[in-house]
Amino acid sequence: GENVEQHPSTLSVQEGDSAVIKCTYSDSASNYFPWYKQELGKGPQLIIDIRSNVGEKKDQRIAVTLNKTAKHFSLHITETQPEDSAVYFCAASLRYGNNRLAFGKGNQVVVIP
Amino acid sequence: GAGVSQSPSNKVTEKGKDVELRCDPISGHTALYWYRQSLGQGLEFLIYFQGNSAPDKSGLPSDRFSAERTGGSVSTLTIQRTQQEDSAVYFCASSFSLRSSYNEQFFGPGTRLTVL
Repeated sequence: GENVEQHPSTLSVQEGDSAVIKCTYSDSASNYFPWYKQELGKGPQLIIDIRSNVGEKKDQRIAVTLNKTAKHFSLHITETQPEDSAVYFCAASLRYGNNRLAFGKGNQVVVIP
Repeated sequence: GAGVSQSPSNKVTEKGKDVELRCDPISGHTALYWYRQSLGQGLEFLIYFQGNSAPDKSGLPSDRFSAERTGGSVSTLTIQRTQQEDSAVYFCASSFSLRSSYNEQFFGPGTRLTVL
């Protein structure tokens, strides 16, 4: 099955700086890569996703890049704010079939005011 | 509209007891998933329901775990003879499954299960 690795496990950044989280996946057939943000005591919430026919996608201060050859994808958060502090999970799945998501272990992002 | 809801939000039980966790998906969503999140870990897939098809149970860790989805809506995850290693947060997610699109999974707030 799919195996998703996520690095680093924790990341501290000064408010206003950028944060980058990197993930790798093992199954070359995976073609859908969502990123979830999880705040304390809540369920994960989708913040951005990318499909395998696209190399980059941007939504305001967040962007995701995908390198299919290397089987890795990254989340970029620019101009970080204290409310960006949370755990971020990357995931991968196949489009067809059951769309089950294989998650990375998560990255704790702390934005220091 | 309402999102995915789960009950109870917290459950403390003694080792060996059975527990039932409930999920109410978003109305109209045909796909329903259960995931488990152990402390400090990512979410682990447990089971998937899609319409009237047979569920994909490939993620269930043992035969003590089972799940039902009645009427294509509400789902119940049952853990029999609970063990301490079952302690985790159990999340339910639902999506509107269309073969022609990628389907965002919407997650509930989770049920925190503690087995003493």
